[in-house]
Amino acid sequence: QKEVEQNSGPLSVPEGAIASLNCTYSDRVSQSFFWYRQYSGKSPELIMSIYSNGDKEDGRFTAQLNKASQYVSLLIRDSQPSDSATYLCAVNSPRYNQGGKLIFGQGTELSVKP
Amino acid sequence: NAGVTQTPKFQVLKTGQSMTLQCAQDMNHNSMYWYRQDPGMGLRLIYYSASEGTTDKGEVPNGYNVSRLNKREFSLRLESAAPSQTSVYFCATRRGAQPQHFGDGTRLSIL
Repeated sequence: QKEVEQNSGPLSVPEGAIASLNCTYSDRVSQSFFWYRQYSGKSPELIMSIYSNGDKEDGRFTAQLNKASQYVSLLIRDSQPSDSATYLCAVNSPRYNQGGKLIFGQGTELSVKP
Repeated sequence: NAGVTQTPKFQVLKTGQSMTLQCAQDMNHNSMYWYRQDPGMGLRLIYYSASEGTTDKGEVPNGYNVSRLNKREFSLRLESAAPSQTSVYFCATRRGAQPQHFGDGTRLSIL
């Protein structure tokens, strides 16, 4: 079982729709969770962090965390063509030295069609 | 990306050549990381350094060496480049359990 799993996609949604991206993780002691966006040919950029169960909203983005079920999701409301990118889920594993390292999922490619 | 600088941005090598990828940060972060990213493989950790003076292997360390020169700099060396090391290499930094910040990447081709 991979430590962090995401649907590889591509996920295609029409402009204005809600895009839902999902991520599951295997290490129950994980404590912090991040979503990165990566445009083609660019480096990953952080868009959301979440540390406690529930929802966290930032503009059109909502991150949802359920530690009991070991999943984290990202909702993008009113999707725009500029949201077309690969979205990476990252989970902090405290098992490693000094604060842990991030474990990344494979990424989900999102395509928003005008 | 301001804060994490990678050099060079592009490089073409011949099989067997050696080279060093440089990473420097001005964010005062303790931890630094080297990843490679290949199509369909996601980000794979090569080596990381939790603090100055320490380095640890990641998922795919074979064929690479690293040096944490000081708090600011973390270099990745390919001693004898192989075509399988053709990839995009990212350096990242981090403070504690906070998110990682990435450099712009080095696109490396080995012929």
